[in-house]
Amino acid sequence: GESVGLHLPTLSVQEGDNSIINCAYSNSASDYFIWYKQESGKGPQFIIDIRSNMDKRQGQRVTVLLNKTVKHLSLQIAATQPGDSAVYFCAENWGTNAGKSTFGDGTTLTVKP
Amino acid sequence: DTAVSQTPKYLVTQMGNDKSIKCEQNLGHDTMYWYKQDSKKFLKIMFSYNNKELIINETVPNRFSPKSPDKAHLNLHINSLELGDSAVYFCASSQDWGSGNTIYFGEGSWLTVV
Repeated sequence: GESVGLHLPTLSVQEGDNSIINCAYSNSASDYFIWYKQESGKGPQFIIDIRSNMDKRQGQRVTVLLNKTVKHLSLQIAATQPGDSAVYFCAENWGTNAGKSTFGDGTTLTVKP
Repeated sequence: DTAVSQTPKYLVTQMGNDKSIKCEQNLGHDTMYWYKQDSKKFLKIMFSYNNKELIINETVPNRFSPKSPDKAHLNLHINSLELGDSAVYFCASSQDWGSGNTIYFGEGSWLTVV
């Protein structure tokens, strides 16, 4: 399943399928990008990050892709599990201060058993 | 073992009251933050302190006053609460304030103003 970020803030996938969550960022000067996962009733949790000198970075079951030409970021989750159900945020940073990251609107991922 | 802990988790209060939310981190980080998350899940930075010094102060009503007695604590005091202050407030910390630092969030404090 795939979301288009701001225009489809929810994504529903079947357990075991791959998920793609998309994010359009705003500032072409942004040089650092982070994906966060926020489970219900909890705070955002860091998943993976990528710097602008890379176009792909892999973690455990997650991959982040960066396309600077069109200012697009995506998070791919392989073999989605029920525990992946959460709101996912992308954040961009173009300065020197971590606190100046701008968060996107978030996409709610629901995994159906 | 909670890395960033904030209290209270839930707070219901009347308009006009003054309330505080406390935050502590045991990660040894130099930088702490307060974020506000509205009902649509939009997350926005309010304040940031580095080693007890204010380094980010976004456009926030001056009814909101952060206080950092030491680098492990950052409390948020809100005067004359308004209905629009109802939100989830997250405390967070990072090793230092540089842009590549991972930000660790607390579990949030749900504030409801009635």
